[in-house]
Amino acid sequence: NAGVTQTPKFRVLKTGQSMTLLCAQDMNHEYMYWYRQDPGMGLRLIHYSVGEGTTAKGEVPDGYNVSRLKKQNFLLGLESAAPSQTSVYFCASRTPDTYNEQFFGPGTRLTVL
Amino acid sequence: KQEVTQIPAALSVPEGENLVLNCSFTDSAIYNLQWFRQDPGKGLTSLLLIQSSQREQTSGRLNASLDKSSGRSTLYIAASQPGDSATYLCAAMDSSYKLIFGSGTRLLVRP
Repeated sequence: NAGVTQTPKFRVLKTGQSMTLLCAQDMNHEYMYWYRQDPGMGLRLIHYSVGEGTTAKGEVPDGYNVSRLKKQNFLLGLESAAPSQTSVYFCASRTPDTYNEQFFGPGTRLTVL
Repeated sequence: KQEVTQIPAALSVPEGENLVLNCSFTDSAIYNLQWFRQDPGKGLTSLLLIQSSQREQTSGRLNASLDKSSGRSTLYIAASQPGDSATYLCAAMDSSYKLIFGSGTRLLVRP
């Protein structure tokens, strides 16, 4: 199993450009999450999904959109990138079992100039 | 609203020392608490997960405890090594199954 994978690993955008980050998991997990991590801080939840076709807002959703068309994929979109969105983005997934453990991807480092 | 705090923000110790990292949370209604390790520029490595019904978990030189009533968790590292140098993050899963992260403790173990 590859676990949770993220594409791309690095990206540089200019202000106003758009892009989509892809998260994929092969563990058949119901729940998927997008976080951002800024320097010296913990992770903050952007959006999450409790199943295929569902999405919900997290703590810092402004400027982002998400889609969960397939159970194994969770896409994070930036329609008009801003320098404040320079961050490292992590995706995670979990299944609602006894442990409720979240499994994280390797991250995508995004710079917006 | 759940808030998670980690103290200290940074810690420097000589090799071989036993050390304790602290994590506190404001709402005791948590499902679990996870400790992660993060190396510079890298992703998160899960170290230990303590369910709300448990008091502690151990893995090798690591021991994590959980006291829900006081809103505290500690990560104990025995006989620290330079390879333990990293940032350690704790995260509490709140009543809506969301993980709330602390800002981390940056650990440096000096040879």
